[in-house]
Amino acid sequence: EIVLTQSPATLSVSPGERAVLSCRASQSVRTYLAWYRQKPGQSPMLLIYDASSRATGIPARFSGSGSGTDFTLTINDLEPEDFAVYYCQHRYIPITFGQGTRLEIK
Amino acid sequence: QVQLVESGGGVVQPGRSLRLSCAASGFTFSRFTLHWVRQAPGKGLEWVAGILYDGSKKYYADTVQGRFTISRDNSRNTLDLQMNSLTAGDTAVYFCTRDLEKYDTSGHYFGLWGQGALVTVSS
Repeated sequence: EIVLTQSPATLSVSPGERAVLSCRASQSVRTYLAWYRQKPGQSPMLLIYDASSRATGIPARFSGSGSGTDFTLTINDLEPEDFAVYYCQHRYIPITFGQGTRLEIK
Repeated sequence: QVQLVESGGGVVQPGRSLRLSCAASGFTFSRFTLHWVRQAPGKGLEWVAGILYDGSKKYYADTVQGRFTISRDNSRNTLDLQMNSLTAGDTAVYFCTRDLEKYDTSGHYFGLWGQGALVTVSS
């Protein structure tokens, strides 16, 4: 089973600034990694898949990068709706998620 | 409207069984692999089980293998999760999810999620 470790656990950033979230895999997942955002009380929503492809309707201020074991989600010009929990996920069975990064308002 | 709607959640005693259902609409159900993902209160996401678009293969997390059974009915556009021998550790919101891509058998991203059904295992 591939273990995904996200850092930091909590990130404090001001609205309008940039947030950088990290996800590290215990072994290479090539570029087969996704990112989700989960707002309080809501279901998760797919943001990025295959490490850097934005899902339909996701604005360009969300970008993903990385390959192998190290991945980054960058969110530019933070908006109020972006303050939520973010998860990374690799696509092969057994599917696993990172433990999440909470993005909070500074 | 493209959506997944879960039902069947509730409170159940340890050791008992519960069956969750997920009704799909707005897309060609039989073309997509489906999954159950759960989230314990205040915790992260955990993949539980998946079933290929044609029902030919089923996959389970080790934590539920042998206790949970995933199934689908492509004629009724429904996905089910039969949960037996429930423990307190199974308490969670259970999400029905759909693969991002049609006919995907090798890798899975979750492009569509239901609103979730709460299962509470307690005496």
